[in-house]
Amino acid sequence: DAGITQSPRYKITETGRQVTLMCHQTWSHSYMFWYRQDLGHGLRLIYYSAAADITDKGEVPDGYVVSRSKTENFPLTLESATRSQTSVYFCATKTGPNGLYEQYFGPGTRLTVT
Amino acid sequence: AQKVTQAQTEISVVEKEDVTLDCVYETRDTTYYLFWYKQPPSGELVFLIRRNSFDEQNEISGRYSWNFQKSTSSFNFTITASQVVDSAVYFCALSEYTGTASKLTFGTGTRLQVTL
Repeated sequence: DAGITQSPRYKITETGRQVTLMCHQTWSHSYMFWYRQDLGHGLRLIYYSAAADITDKGEVPDGYVVSRSKTENFPLTLESATRSQTSVYFCATKTGPNGLYEQYFGPGTRLTVT
Repeated sequence: AQKVTQAQTEISVVEKEDVTLDCVYETRDTTYYLFWYKQPPSGELVFLIRRNSFDEQNEISGRYSWNFQKSTSSFNFTITASQVVDSAVYFCALSEYTGTASKLTFGTGTRLQVTL
């Protein structure tokens, strides 16, 4: 049972390039989330999705785009990467009534923008 | 807006000491959930506990215990007889339902270092 997988696990890219981080879950949970983790900020929500084709902005959405055509996939795209987007990115899913229960996190993607 | 404060940035203890990690939250909702997560040096985020706003019973799981007090908006986490393997960053989080989905707000984390 793989749960949540993220790919790639590590990525180095240059400023201005487009980068897509993949997230795949095997549980069919309705809710999926993208966070970024930076020292001193904890985890901050970028985007979330309540179901396929339903997405919404989180706390720090600027510079990111998401889509969710299938329940199991929730890719995050950096349209034109900037150095400030160097971070560790976590994907998560959630279950429970209205998605109120705990979130389960993927292993993370460490992205470096040079 | 909801907010979670973990005022302790870093704590260092010697093995076998007890340690308490503080968490204070702000919310206007009456229905919410509180969580603790552990992030060991390997980087993954491990769920530890969920507590809903209507259940103020303290919980104990082995060496871990949690004290939830609505009167002070706190959800503190105590590790008894700490071990080196407890060294990690611990995050407290708050979940509220916004009408379309629920979102987690995390504190900035407390780094616990347990030494021999």
